[in-house]
Amino acid sequence: DSGVTQTPKHLITATGQRVTLRCSPRSGDLSVYWYQQSLDQGLQFLIQYYNGEERAKGNILERFSAQQFPDLHSELNLSSLELGDSALYFCASSVGLGGIYGYTFGSGTRLTVV
Amino acid sequence: QKEVEQDPGPLSVPEGAIVSLNCTYSNSAFQYFMWYRQYSRKGPELLMYTYSSGNKEDGRFTAQVDKSSKYISLFIRDSQPSDSATYLCAMSGNAGNMLTFGGGTRLMVKP
Repeated sequence: DSGVTQTPKHLITATGQRVTLRCSPRSGDLSVYWYQQSLDQGLQFLIQYYNGEERAKGNILERFSAQQFPDLHSELNLSSLELGDSALYFCASSVGLGGIYGYTFGSGTRLTVV
Repeated sequence: QKEVEQDPGPLSVPEGAIVSLNCTYSNSAFQYFMWYRQYSRKGPELLMYTYSSGNKEDGRFTAQVDKSSKYISLFIRDSQPSDSATYLCAMSGNAGNMLTFGGGTRLMVKP
């Protein structure tokens, strides 16, 4: 157990629907990062939050949004889902703003859009 | 050109072989270097961490950094089938910078 908790582990939904993925960072970590990983693809950075505020944005679609709550857990909202959104979504956390000590990853949420 | 380049593989080796995994990078500000191991459909886990240049050894794993060549390596001695995974390099500059990941190299160790 890495200490980063992601729920749900699996999600199957239809095109056009909206889903919410949840992440609880490791205790003491203030930064949360969201990554998307399609089959046999590398990690695609989506967005970073630090202590409740958005810090960096990557290749995140306008249909996707995220937030970090006062208790530091984060949610990634995916709407108007398309077949191409099927992927593994990872959450990672780190102590500070950056990654000099590395990130700790959760086990991911597998999203299947049918 | 990507900031961090990594051969995607797959790299297939027999059990017991020495494996060399490599990354090249273009940003000379990078000074914190990491290797992650990702088993199929699992989250990446931090395997090795090095700061600046030099070597670091941990069991069968050795991480090597050559900042002058902007080149980092991970060596696995006596490779085992359980080492079959995707290996991602990652690096960062200053404390406020995010990690930049390579695309990963898929390793297959055959019994």
